[in-house]
Amino acid sequence: TQLLEQSPQFLSIQEGENLTVYCNSSSVFSSLQWYRQEPGEGPVLLVTVVTGGEVKKLKRLTFQFGDARKDSSLHITAAQPGDTGLYLCAGAVSGGSNYKLTFGKGTLLTVNP
Amino acid sequence: ETGVTQTPRHLVMGMTNKKSLKCEQHLGHNAMYWYKQSAKKPLELMFVYNFKEQTENNSVPSRFSPECPNSSHLFLHLHTLQPEDSALYLCASSQDADTGELFFGEGSRLTVL
Repeated sequence: TQLLEQSPQFLSIQEGENLTVYCNSSSVFSSLQWYRQEPGEGPVLLVTVVTGGEVKKLKRLTFQFGDARKDSSLHITAAQPGDTGLYLCAGAVSGGSNYKLTFGKGTLLTVNP
Repeated sequence: ETGVTQTPRHLVMGMTNKKSLKCEQHLGHNAMYWYKQSAKKPLELMFVYNFKEQTENNSVPSRFSPECPNSSHLFLHLHTLQPEDSALYLCASSQDADTGELFFGEGSRLTVL
């Protein structure tokens, strides 16, 4: 059974601060996705990382896939209240069948004005 | 307007009721999914349909019955549910079940009394 551990579970910060959240596993994934879920909404895909060591940037968000493809991090610079939400990582096993995505429990981020 | 629409958004039902959740996707995708989201747990995959055929039933109790009449519509029929079935039920779609990324609906919040 592949497990994805996300940390921290909860994070409350002030607007303008930087933060990093983590997604770790003992399993190797062929790709890893990050989603953000705002209150009362469904998850929305932010990024997919595929190559070990890959770094992708989406405005103030920087995503990194570990060299061994077992872990990933999301760094947010100068957080804004609009960044508030549940951040979910999801790993796909080798072979790429979408329905074999494994989700973490998520990091609930609150950015206070 | 989201590409995946779920109705109803909220549903309260007794343990002896029969109700249905509906999902419609306007993205031209061929795969559709039901996920269950409970507090403090990872997203749980329930069912997968690929080109209208069920390809995954993740050991879901028979009181949940899916139906996929075409690639754009997915239903979840509910009967004799238990209070522990209260959760957010998320529908998602993807281009197909082997590759691609998930597009989620906003979810149906179910409360079983």
